[in-house]
Amino acid sequence: AQTVTQSQPEMSVQEAETVTLSCTYDTSESDYYLFWYKQPPSRQMILVIRQEAYKQQNATENRFSVNFQKAAKSFSLKISDSQLGDAAMYFCALPEDFGNEKLTFGTGTRLTIIP
Amino acid sequence: DSGVTQTPKHLITATGQRVTLRCSPRSGDLSVYWYQQSLDQGLQFLIHYYNGEERAKGNILERFSAQQFPDLHSELNLSSLELGDSALYFCASRKGGGAAEAFFGQGTRLTVV
Repeated sequence: AQTVTQSQPEMSVQEAETVTLSCTYDTSESDYYLFWYKQPPSRQMILVIRQEAYKQQNATENRFSVNFQKAAKSFSLKISDSQLGDAAMYFCALPEDFGNEKLTFGTGTRLTIIP
Repeated sequence: DSGVTQTPKHLITATGQRVTLRCSPRSGDLSVYWYQQSLDQGLQFLIHYYNGEERAKGNILERFSAQQFPDLHSELNLSSLELGDSALYFCASRKGGGAAEAFFGQGTRLTVV
C-alpha cells in the first residue's frame, strides 16, 4: 500500500517570506504523479501544483514550486512571497492503482500567515 | 468554482437515520470519487465510479452505498447513521487518469446528533 507522510501539522510564516512544507511518500511504482492540494477555510480542495515523477525538472506555478527528490521519495512545496490568501491546510497526494487512481492524502499541514 | 456541485452543503440528522448526498461532476468527466474527511481519519477514499460502473472501493462501511447514474451524477447513501459518521464528504471528478486533475466539490458537512 502507498503511504504519504506530512510531518509538520502546523507551520507559520511572515507575510512576504518563504516557507517550505514537507512531504514524503512510499510507492512501488516507478512512474507516478504527485499533487499538492490547498484547502482554505472555505473547505474547497484546490490543486496547487503537480509533478510527474519521470520529469527531473521541478514543477513551478507562479509563487509555488516543488523540490522533488525521487530517490529520497520526497516532495516538498515551497511558497515564495507568502500572502495572506495562502493561509490554508495543504495536502500532499499520491494517486494509486492504475485505472482507478484514487488519491492517498497526507494528514495535512496548516499554514498560518503572519501579517 | 470547480464545476463539481454537491448538495446539500450542510446536513444535520439523528442517529439511525438515512441520508443521500448528491454530486454532479464537471461536464464530460466520467470518473467520480467520494472521500470522507474527518478530524481523526483525515481524507479517506470511499469509492470510485467510472461511467456508471464501480471501479474501486476503499474504506467504505457496509452501511454506505453509492451509485452513478446514466447522466453521470452520483449519490452516496449513508444509513443507520452513527455519531462517528459526522464528517465532511467530498465528491471529486476527473476527466482521465495519470496527471489529470481531480476537481473537488465544496463538500457536504454531515452532522449526526
